[in-house]
Amino acid sequence: KAGVTQTPRYLIKTRGQQVTLSCSPISGHRSVSWYQQTPGQGLQFLFEYFSETQRNKGNFPGRFSGRQFSNSRSEMNVSTLELGDSALYLCASSRGDVGTDTQYFGPGTRLTVL
Amino acid sequence: DAKTTQPNSMESNEEEPVHLPCNHSTISGTDYIHWYRQLPSQGPEYVIHGLTSNVNNRMASLAIAEDRKSSTLILHRATLRDAAVYYCILRDNSGYALNFGKGTSLLVTP
Repeated sequence: KAGVTQTPRYLIKTRGQQVTLSCSPISGHRSVSWYQQTPGQGLQFLFEYFSETQRNKGNFPGRFSGRQFSNSRSEMNVSTLELGDSALYLCASSRGDVGTDTQYFGPGTRLTVL
Repeated sequence: DAKTTQPNSMESNEEEPVHLPCNHSTISGTDYIHWYRQLPSQGPEYVIHGLTSNVNNRMASLAIAEDRKSSTLILHRATLRDAAVYYCILRDNSGYALNFGKGTSLLVTP
């Protein structure tokens, strides 16, 4: 069974630009969650999508948004990039049936904002 | 969400058992105890979880105190590949997000 894939793996942008990251979940998984990891704040939950609907949201500004497609693939978008958005962005997929389902993480996208 | 407390770091010798503690004194009756770990330059991976009884799988064992206010992840024979940050996380069936804390950074020395 193929794991969670994320593209691109590395990205360099400048302040003020926007960026779109992509996540393909494990086949059959309907939930996709996004996390931001920085040295200072650690791993923080961004949002979770289940069957194309945002089901949960973390405490991030509206510049961070996401969506999920009918095939469960998900994208997240960050607009008006700031230096502090430099981070590893991780996506995780799960069946999504219950809150305690195991989450399977991808390798992440390393975003650098200059 | 109920909080967990873990030591910042621990060190172990290769092929020795490792006991990683986690305190969760405000755990509720519906909270499951989950452990994830993150190896260097990788995304986190699931290790084990339990509710009340001790649990074993191919990766580790989870020992849960009778009052459930603490738990211990046990790696029976640490290998160099087990060097990672280990996160103890409380989850209930309504909480789809993983609330990662600082975790315990485990160093394994040959």
